[in-house]
Amino acid sequence: GDSVTQMEGPVTLSEEAFLTINCTYTATGYPSLFWYVQYPGEGLQLLLKATKADDKGSNKGFEATYRKETTSFHLEKGSVQVSDSAVYFCALFNTGNQFYFGTGTSLTVIP
Amino acid sequence: GAGVSQSPSNKVTEKGKDVELRCDPISGHTALYWYRQSLGQGLEFLIYFQGNSAPDKSGLPSDRFSAERTGGSVSTLTIQRTQQEDSAVYLCASSLFHGSYNSPLHFGNGTRLTVT
Repeated sequence: GDSVTQMEGPVTLSEEAFLTINCTYTATGYPSLFWYVQYPGEGLQLLLKATKADDKGSNKGFEATYRKETTSFHLEKGSVQVSDSAVYFCALFNTGNQFYFGTGTSLTVIP
Repeated sequence: GAGVSQSPSNKVTEKGKDVELRCDPISGHTALYWYRQSLGQGLEFLIYFQGNSAPDKSGLPSDRFSAERTGGSVSTLTIQRTQQEDSAVYLCASSLFHGSYNSPLHFGNGTRLTVT
């Protein structure tokens, strides 16, 4: 069945460091891929998405590229801020099916 | 406009009691989902409703769990005879409609359920 695997946390970075959170997926066909973010005390919210191979989703300085050849959708940011501290979830959606979420990666950015 | 609203935000109950969790989706959203988030686990799909169609209950872990959606809007997730393993954060999400990547999920803040 469809599934998402993302790197385990927690991840702790200093402000302005480079961030990568790895995400790989298993799916039939051509899923759409998403990153959701959950800030402390809040619900999950959509951060970015990509709907086909080689698409790049971007938002708030975060980027992720849909790589079909490596079945990956790694999240990157060039310079993290304290306000980026949150839990990040990779997810996929296959038409007619469900959203499948990874286990989440906790990021803490220290000043 | 208002987002997805869930109540209560926290619920502590004794083992064996029944609990009801409420979700008020975004107005106009036809699809409504329930997920469970346990410590160290990803989001576990429980059930979804799409318009007036029969709900997809394939994720409900046991017959102690049930959900209904009245009038195509508010939904209630009921857990009967709660067990300690039911302790988790229960998340509700809604979307314009089910079945399209162009209809992302909008989540509520969740209900943290603790069974003692």
